[in-house]
Amino acid sequence: DVKVTQSSRYLVKRTGEKVFLECVQDMDHENMFWYRQDPGLGLRLIYFSYDVKMKEKGDIPEGYSVSREKKERFSLILESASTNQTSMYLCASSLVTPGKQYFGPGTRLLVL
Amino acid sequence: QQPVQSPQAVILREGEDAVINCSSSKALYSVHWYRQKHGEAPVFLMILLKGGEQKGHDKISASFNEKKQQSSLYLTASQLSYSGTYFCGTELESNTGKLIFGQGTTLQVKP
Repeated sequence: DVKVTQSSRYLVKRTGEKVFLECVQDMDHENMFWYRQDPGLGLRLIYFSYDVKMKEKGDIPEGYSVSREKKERFSLILESASTNQTSMYLCASSLVTPGKQYFGPGTRLLVL
Repeated sequence: QQPVQSPQAVILREGEDAVINCSSSKALYSVHWYRQKHGEAPVFLMILLKGGEQKGHDKISASFNEKKQQSSLYLTASQLSYSGTYFCGTELESNTGKLIFGQGTTLQVKP
């Protein structure tokens, strides 16, 4: 079964810190996604990637960047964390598009 | 651009039926449905491609009306395990995989 893992379940950071969220999938999926989930807003796409070193902006990329150096790993970077980036961050991967997305367990980030 | 789901919340007794709607103001290429239980990751239910598809497995099925730009999820004879938040994800452009999710519908099934 596909497994998507995220480096931390909970993270507390200070305003202005650089934050790295890591996501790894073990099924050789081409596509990987980063979402943030906030109550009442559903899941909103931050960035996605079709292949290694490829990235596309989602709906809310401001304040974020991503890195995909290896096919199985997709990192989300908060260059300078702000309190409005406190949220649940979910990573997902899929084999094809459109296709079933497999989600990781999420990282709950608190920025103080 | 975000699709609108209705209702926002619904409470059912075991065995009752429910319908969750997802409407978009834009033309859709595909509609995806996911269920998320409290504290867990969203889990895929099904994808419907444009062409007026209807799909189902077990007692959960869905339809996609391309002309009306909407999809409906049907839960029949609901079970306690159906409780959770249901999200529709809409794809506006073909083969991008880029989904815009609705705000979610919370379903609670009581014994």
